[in-house]
Amino acid sequence: AQSVTQLGSHVSVSEGALVLLRCNYSSSVPPYLFWYVQYPNQGLQLLLKYTSAATLVKGINGFEAEFKKSETSFHLTKPSAHMSDAAEYFCAVSSLGGSARQLTFGSGTQLTVLP
Amino acid sequence: EAGVTQFPSHSVIEKGQTVTLRCDPISGHDNLYWYRRVMGKEIKFLLHFVKESKQDESGMPNNRFLAERTGGTYSTLKVQPAELEDSGVYFCASSQVAGAQADTQYFGPGTRLTVL
Repeated sequence: AQSVTQLGSHVSVSEGALVLLRCNYSSSVPPYLFWYVQYPNQGLQLLLKYTSAATLVKGINGFEAEFKKSETSFHLTKPSAHMSDAAEYFCAVSSLGGSARQLTFGSGTQLTVLP
Repeated sequence: EAGVTQFPSHSVIEKGQTVTLRCDPISGHDNLYWYRRVMGKEIKFLLHFVKESKQDESGMPNNRFLAERTGGTYSTLKVQPAELEDSGVYFCASSQVAGAQADTQYFGPGTRLTVL
């Protein structure tokens, strides 16, 4: 069984400030981990993914995440928030990777960027 | 290359009616998934097709939901009869079966279903 916990359903940051969105996972086997973003009135877009290669993963729009096995975490960060980053962010886990695995999602974190 | 498309974008129906949602995956993607997000909850897996075969339907809530993927191309998800608790956003995703991007699911914009 696998699960994902996203701490903080709502996060607010000022424009230019650090963005930190937390994700902890539980998986009985080596996980593949994903961050997706949903902008208003749009579908889910892949930000980045961890698939057992480098533990620090860089994604689109300046986001990155670090896989920490000892902490079972995969937190998403961006050094400087932009107004356009306002969206809902989802962390997801897939066991063993591959093409035939369902994703288990966290409950999402709504990011607000204040001017 | 066109992404995953879903139709309709919104649907409002009354309890007891039938609704059919459609998903067109990315061309060449043999894996097709359905997910649902009920208001305020997490996105949950419903089922997975490989081509026209149901690989995993463990997430289907009950027998009022019927998914098909005739010919291994587009898929439909029918809810009959709809109940109030079926309201939510239904997402479709697709992925390759093999290759460098096989572990990545690409999502459509979703269908927002409201049952009154």
